Amino acid sequence: SYELTQPPSVSVSPRQTASITCSGDKLGNKYASWYQQKPGQSPVLVIYQDTKRPSGIPERFSASNSGNTATLTISGTQAMDEADYYCQAWDSSTVVFGGGTKLTVL
Amino acid sequence: EVHLVESGGGLIKPGGSLRLSCAASGFTFSNAWMSWVRQAPGKGLEWVGRINSKLDGGTTDYAAPVKGRVTISRDDSKNTLYLQMNSLKTEDTAVYYCTREVYSYGAGWFDPWGQGTLAIVSS
Repeated sequence: SYELTQPPSVSVSPRQTASITCSGDKLGNKYASWYQQKPGQSPVLVIYQDTKRPSGIPERFSASNSGNTATLTISGTQAMDEADYYCQAWDSSTVVFGGGTKLTVL
Repeated sequence: EVHLVESGGGLIKPGGSLRLSCAASGFTFSNAWMSWVRQAPGKGLEWVGRINSKLDGGTTDYAAPVKGRVTISRDDSKNTLYLQMNSLKTEDTAVYYCTREVYSYGAGWFDPWGQGTLAIVSS
């Protein structure tokens, strides 16, 4: 079965750039989406179709997808961005989530 | 405003059954693909399955770990999505989220998500 791999944790200083990776076989040939989940809350879509931001998501959130890796980038990270982030892709009509990355803003 | 509200969670004994509901509002439910995603305590997101719109055939797809034990259905007249899960195991303990799956160009993403309902499988 298809798997997406994320680092368990990433740390970043305020106002710096955070990058969270998501790896899967030929992931660049699929569309990747990203979700933010804060403690006790439901997930929120932050990126879809590799690079698109839903309305209401700040411009500091961007993403790319090529080869075997999709990357979520948060520029000028703020304390409010501290959360778990999950990547997601389709594989043969089923859905796969990455294991999640806890972003800590130190 | 698009809104999804799950209900039906609670404490269930191993081997028992669970029926969750998700009431939708703020969008044309009958045209929507809908999915259930669960999250075990302290763990990541796990897709359970989907039902697409009747316009697209009303077909269902399920994740391998739950296939054969789960049935997803919908009542478009009530704008409601359902999840029926049988032969419950302790590892089915999770918050179950209802979410709209937006499908385009061969892929889907989930937006929005409900608040989730907690199902605890324990003796």
